[in-house]
Amino acid sequence: DAKTTQPNSMESNEEEPVHLPCNHSTISGTDYIHWYRQLPSQGPEYVIHGLTSNVNNRMASLAIAEDRKSSTLILHRATLRDAAVYYCILPNAGGTSYGKLTFGQGTILTVHP
Amino acid sequence: ETGVTQTPRHLVMGMTNKKSLKCEQHLGHNAMYWYKQSAKKPLELMFVYNFKEQTENNSVPSRFSPECPNSSHLFLHLHTLQPEDSALYLCASSQVFWDRTTYEQYFGPGTRLTVT
Repeated sequence: DAKTTQPNSMESNEEEPVHLPCNHSTISGTDYIHWYRQLPSQGPEYVIHGLTSNVNNRMASLAIAEDRKSSTLILHRATLRDAAVYYCILPNAGGTSYGKLTFGQGTILTVHP
Repeated sequence: ETGVTQTPRHLVMGMTNKKSLKCEQHLGHNAMYWYKQSAKKPLELMFVYNFKEQTENNSVPSRFSPECPNSSHLFLHLHTLQPEDSALYLCASSQVFWDRTTYEQYFGPGTRLTVT
């Protein structure tokens, strides 16, 4: 899998926007960029994915750099429930490893009231 | 039941015991996964099953034995485990398309395993 680099931790205040960066300079042309998050004491939860264009869904927005070497997950208004570990992943869907996800350390997001 | 369910949620077992973890997905997916999450370590993929066939064994010790009788059920049989195997074991499922791409994986809540 292509390698991703994320900050170890970030902090935000409630109801403010949060921008979570991810660097993936070795990304290939067919790699999708996926984001998952893991709330305390829960399994990971899919957040969003994209290839080239910016993407929006009910949970977040994904902004992808023009050269695709970096991306940013945007939470428009952070809530206390958004406190979690956020993972940026480039899955390897090639070979026999269908949908294999390799999780790194992720970014621990702390949201202050 | 909706999504991915796992039972039991908590399990304590001795090193000589044999136990099984169960996962069931209610999403109609064709791929299922076992992950391990140890304290202070990233999630590690253990096994991948596609259409009931194992397609990935990530160098997992033989004391962990997976079984996938159909596309909705996945088991992890445990025997003669070590204390360092204590961890959160997570099951996930996804839909794999004809070109091997897959997008969202849906995770269960996990089984917290303690080996004494």
